[in-house]
Amino acid sequence: DIQMTQSPSSLSASVGDRVTITCRASQSISSYLNWYQQKPGKAPKLLIYAASSLQSGVPSRFSGSGSGTDFTLTISSLQPEDFATYYCQQSYSTLAITFGQGTRLEIK
Amino acid sequence: QVQLVQSGAEVKKPGSSVKVSCKASGGTFSSYAISWVRQAPGQGLEWMGGIIPIFGTANYAQKFQGRVTITADESTSTAYMELSSLRSEDTAVYYCARGAVAGRMEGWFDPWGQGTLVTVSS
Repeated sequence: DIQMTQSPSSLSASVGDRVTITCRASQSISSYLNWYQQKPGKAPKLLIYAASSLQSGVPSRFSGSGSGTDFTLTISSLQPEDFATYYCQQSYSTLAITFGQGTRLEIK
Repeated sequence: QVQLVQSGAEVKKPGSSVKVSCKASGGTFSSYAISWVRQAPGQGLEWMGGIIPIFGTANYAQKFQGRVTITADESTSTAYMELSSLRSEDTAVYYCARGAVAGRMEGWFDPWGQGTLVTVSS
């Protein structure tokens, strides 16, 4: 299976900060990389698909980049509602879709 | 707007089976994959497998091969996930999620069901 490694595992930041979360794949996955936001007790919500495409309705402060094995999710100016856990997901291998372990974003 | 609504919480004994349903409304059901993803308490997301209803054949993660069965009923726009030989480690929230690309298993998941808590306890 393709392993997805996120860093950091947790992060403390303040409202207005610029935040970057990294996701690394154990082999090249082209641009088959997606990002989700999950709040406690809720289902994950799609933010970014195909590495850099913003899902409809998602604020433009969220952006994604990368290809191959290294990807980033950037939040340009943190808002109070952005404090959540973020997951990357690869769908390159359709028989073994895998997620990163998650990055918990907390208020400093 | 597609919406996925899952069945309610379950409490099961070790060794038994559970079957969770996921009913789609508001869009095309048969052409888009439905995947099942679980999340143990305090843990991350784990893909279990998926099915494209119009094709009828499911793909399973190796970890769950032989223990999970995913099916779909096109007449009711409902997908099902049955997990057998339950053990305490299967206690988790189980989500269904729709794939984004018609006729393909790969891609991103949107939308997701609300989740079904399955508790395995003696």
